[in-house]
Amino acid sequence: QVTLKESGPVLVKPTETLTLTCTVSGFSLSNARMGVSWIRQPPGKALEWLAHIFSNDEKSYSTSLKSRLTISKDTSKSQVVLTMTNMDPVDTATYYCARMTVTANFAFDIWGQGTMVTVSS
Amino acid sequence: QSVLTQPPSASGTPGQRVTISCSGSSSNIGSNTVNWYQQLPGTAPKLLIYSNNQRPSGVPDRFSGSKSGTSASLAISGLQSEDEADYYCAAWDDSLNGDWVFGGGTKLTVL
Repeated sequence: QVTLKESGPVLVKPTETLTLTCTVSGFSLSNARMGVSWIRQPPGKALEWLAHIFSNDEKSYSTSLKSRLTISKDTSKSQVVLTMTNMDPVDTATYYCARMTVTANFAFDIWGQGTMVTVSS
Repeated sequence: QSVLTQPPSASGTPGQRVTISCSGSSSNIGSNTVNWYQQLPGTAPKLLIYSNNQRPSGVPDRFSGSKSGTSASLAISGLQSEDEADYYCAAWDDSLNGDWVFGGGTKLTVL
């Protein structure tokens, strides 16, 4: 069974750096046919893609947030980590990680439950 | 302001067929495939349609997708109460360095 689970702080202060971890099971981050994306959703608003990473360490970032994001993976721990610098209240959102697979043409086929992050002093 | 444009709401009665539109541009829908996601209240999104019209295993054939030019549509036939959810379209956008872009979401109400 494929699962993804996000973890990280519930509350961060403005200007701080957010670090989120996605722990996957049921597939390997070394699988050439798969990748992992981070996507967020502010309360009551639409989904917004943030970044993705593939087994060969190929990375891509949202154009609008590129300067603040870093994505990395630890294959041995089955973890994908996203850091976002200079957090602001507008970054308050539920953050999801999701698997991407070549069999679904890299659509986000399995999602984690999400983790809610609030930015407030 | 989302890159892909969806109607904010749609509705139908049980058994009806409803469609949800998604409009984009040549850099996204016009040159790449479209995926659709269903988000039930309080839950994570779920992949409903990929590559314009392909259903993942387990998705009922009541759900279908299509694409023409820079627009796409999701159709739901035989509407059921459990279909009440938010629906999002998404596509890769080739402009700048490339982004996955989403629509603003359509809230489907089953009357």
